[in-house]
Amino acid sequence: DSGVTQTPKHLITATGQRVTLRCSPRSGDLSVYWYQQSLDQGLQFLIQYYNGEERAKGNILERFSAQQFPDLHSELNLSSLELGDSALYFCASSVGNGNTGELFFGEGSRLTVL
Amino acid sequence: GESVGLHLPTLSVQEGDNSIINCAYSNSASDYFIWYKQESGKGPQFIIDIRSNMDKRQGQRVTVLLNKTVKHLSLQIAATQPGDSAVYFCAEILPGDYKLSFGAGTTVTVRA
Repeated sequence: DSGVTQTPKHLITATGQRVTLRCSPRSGDLSVYWYQQSLDQGLQFLIQYYNGEERAKGNILERFSAQQFPDLHSELNLSSLELGDSALYFCASSVGNGNTGELFFGEGSRLTVL
Repeated sequence: GESVGLHLPTLSVQEGDNSIINCAYSNSASDYFIWYKQESGKGPQFIIDIRSNMDKRQGQRVTVLLNKTVKHLSLQIAATQPGDSAVYFCAEILPGDYKLSFGAGTTVTVRA
């Protein structure tokens, strides 16, 4: 158990809909990262927050947004969903601001868009 | 995009043998590399990391070797066990960057 909690574990929805994925980092960790894992794209970095502020941005679509709240939990919002958004979405956390390679990953939220 | 990439998508190893997973990178500025293991149905798990001021680093049953001349790193697993069956990723953090960029994974299957 990494200490990172993600909900929901599974989600099935239709194209055009909007979903919110939630992540609680390990106790004491200030950084939260979101990754997308699909079969053909591997693990793709989406975005990182450090202590409530956006720290780094990857290949995150404009239809996607995220935030980190004062209690350090984070949410990833996916809107106008398309079939290609079906993937595993991982949240990870770390103590520092991103200068460490040791991230602690949750077990992921599997999104299926029909 | 990321500069790390794995050599082989799959590796089959006899239980008890040593496993070697190879990874190449293309960015000469890359100076920090990390190996992750992802078991079926789980999130990636940190194994070991190495910075460019080192050629070798050892952990429990694992060794990472870094060859900066040919831009190559490898993960060696000693006495491979069934629990080592997983997908292994090499990853990097570029200087001045904050994101961990993963290469494609190698699926390791341990034969009994």
